[in-house]
Amino acid sequence: GAVVSQHPSWVICKSGTSVKIECRSLDFQATTMFWYRQFPKQSLMLMATSNEGSKATYEQGVEKDKFLINHASLTLSTLTVTSAHPEDSSFYICSAPPEGQPQHFGDGTRLSIL
Amino acid sequence: GEDVEQSLFLSVREGDSSVINCTYTDSSSTYLYWYKQEPGAGLQLLTYIFSNMDMKQDQRLTVLLNKKDKHLSLRIADTQTGDSAIYFCAEMTYKYIFGTGTRLKVLA
Repeated sequence: GAVVSQHPSWVICKSGTSVKIECRSLDFQATTMFWYRQFPKQSLMLMATSNEGSKATYEQGVEKDKFLINHASLTLSTLTVTSAHPEDSSFYICSAPPEGQPQHFGDGTRLSIL
Repeated sequence: GEDVEQSLFLSVREGDSSVINCTYTDSSSTYLYWYKQEPGAGLQLLTYIFSNMDMKQDQRLTVLLNKKDKHLSLRIADTQTGDSAIYFCAEMTYKYIFGTGTRLKVLA
């Protein structure tokens, strides 16, 4: 079945660092990928829609200069958390829909900023 | 509105049936989904139902949809300890809207 791979699964870094998270569709092409954020014991909140070859579409309240999204190929989208601070610590999940199928989700990236 | 509500917690004994409920607000939803999330992991698609259906069965899983009441349920038959997880319903309009999540705890 369709697989979405996320990397890394867990990252711990110091405040002020920029962190890049990758989302790959392993056996299908995805012109659109989605990035979500999940706080502990809460639901997923859509942050942005990543569009291959064009700018990402951000949800209201999400800072696009803080969360940089690049969708450079049909199988890879990246989310870069720039100058991360402790309040950016969260679980970040990406998803992509294979053609004609529901969203498939990555395993998530736990980001911890010290 | 975009609120999708679920009860927060459900506990059942192994072998019993579990029923997880979800209410949504957008009647234009085309598909409704159930996802399972285990600790520290992403979301696993369990099943989904098209909005013009009222029931779908897939092995131990039964989805019921009451479109008039905007109510969706997931029944897990013969619940096992491995079913312990958080379950999210989601509706699809122009984007996914996730429910608040129901934590299912299965007691041995």
